[in-house]
Amino acid sequence: GEDVEQSLFLSVREGDSSVINCTYTDSSSTYLYWYKQEPGAGLQLLTYIFSNMDMKQDQRLTVLLNKKDKHLSLRIADTQTGDSAIYFCAENDNYQLIWGAGTKLIIKP
Amino acid sequence: NAGVTQTPKFQVLKTGQSMTLQCAQDMNHNSMYWYRQDPGMGLRLIYYSASEGTTDKGEVPNGYNVSRLNKREFSLRLESAAPSQTSVYFCASFPGTGRNEQFFGPGTRLTVL
Repeated sequence: GEDVEQSLFLSVREGDSSVINCTYTDSSSTYLYWYKQEPGAGLQLLTYIFSNMDMKQDQRLTVLLNKKDKHLSLRIADTQTGDSAIYFCAENDNYQLIWGAGTKLIIKP
Repeated sequence: NAGVTQTPKFQVLKTGQSMTLQCAQDMNHNSMYWYRQDPGMGLRLIYYSASEGTTDKGEVPNGYNVSRLNKREFSLRLESAAPSQTSVYFCASFPGTGRNEQFFGPGTRLTVL
């Protein structure tokens, strides 16, 4: 079946860029998503990319999509302490989402 | 416009007890979902309802039942709780059109002793 994989942890220094990576298997996905979960809270959509795009930029966020390698990445520029959270990658499969396990972003002062 | 609401926020059960987790959305969305979240395992789909009147099993349905009471409400029932069901449960809804964004409730943290 479809699968989405991402590493469980990423540690970066405050002010540096964070790059969170994700690989997926379903080449028919229309959208790919990044969700953010802050401690004790539900998930909120951070950004998404349509499958016919290579890149999407939204303020400090840059999403890169390599369809050939089925690789998705999220770059957060100038990482701040408020970016500490778990970031989930997901791809759509009809009206369901297939989720990665989440990457916990740890910010070092 | 409250979005997706869930009750209760926290619950402690003893093994064998039953309970129902409630979820409601006020966005007129067609589809609703129940997930459980366990450390290092991401979100796993328990049940979903693609539209009012239909429900289907997800990845981990054993030990759970659901009811899509109306378009707004989708409840999750544990008939005989087990320690393996200790988890955080999230309800989500999805309009059925557009970019397929799922909207999440704040979660219910359940502990089964």
